[in-house]
Amino acid sequence: QKEVEQDPGPLSVPEGAIVSLNCTYSNSAFQYFMWYRQYSRKGPELLMYTYSSGNKEDGRFTAQVDKSSKYISLFIRDSQPSDSATYLCAMSGFTGGFKTIFGAGTRLFVKA
Amino acid sequence: SAVISQKPSRDICQRGTSLTIQCQVDSQVTMMFWYRQQPGQSLTLIATANQGSEATYESGFVIDKFPISRPNLTFSTLTVSNMSPEDSSIYLCSVGQSSGSTGELFFGEGSRLTVL
Repeated sequence: QKEVEQDPGPLSVPEGAIVSLNCTYSNSAFQYFMWYRQYSRKGPELLMYTYSSGNKEDGRFTAQVDKSSKYISLFIRDSQPSDSATYLCAMSGFTGGFKTIFGAGTRLFVKA
Repeated sequence: SAVISQKPSRDICQRGTSLTIQCQVDSQVTMMFWYRQQPGQSLTLIATANQGSEATYESGFVIDKFPISRPNLTFSTLTVSNMSPEDSSIYLCSVGQSSGSTGELFFGEGSRLTVL
């Protein structure tokens, strides 16, 4: 079993739709949860960062963490074609040293 | 966040040769990492580049294949040695928070290697 599971997609939605991206994980030691956005032929860029359980909102983006279910989500409201990218979840915690583990990434296409 | 420059951005290499990738950061950073991203797959940590000492390699990666240098707090190199087509991948330099790693990482644009 992988430490982090993420559906690779692709996920195709019309412009304006609400997008839900999700990851599950198995290591209860993870405490820090991140979402990265990666455009084609670019490096990943940090989009959202949360610590422990709860919600965090930043503009059209909302990150949710449910540690009891080992489940994290990223919601994108009013999706735009410019949101088309690969979204990678990532998490870390003290597991004998801090190491960031990434999901496989979900490819998102937002159609105009 | 730090600005990270990598070069080359892409290269096509012959089997059996070696290539060195450079990573330059615009500020001093404590934590610097090298990742590999194979097509359609997740980012995999190759090693942590330690300033002034040998790099710390993850399981499945060895120094003879991926020698790393870190001469100061702003620069590192990763060499991919004796390349085979299986080494075709994107190699990414990454830095962590200078105050210690809490998981937030910042990435360079990546170096896309194709081995023929």
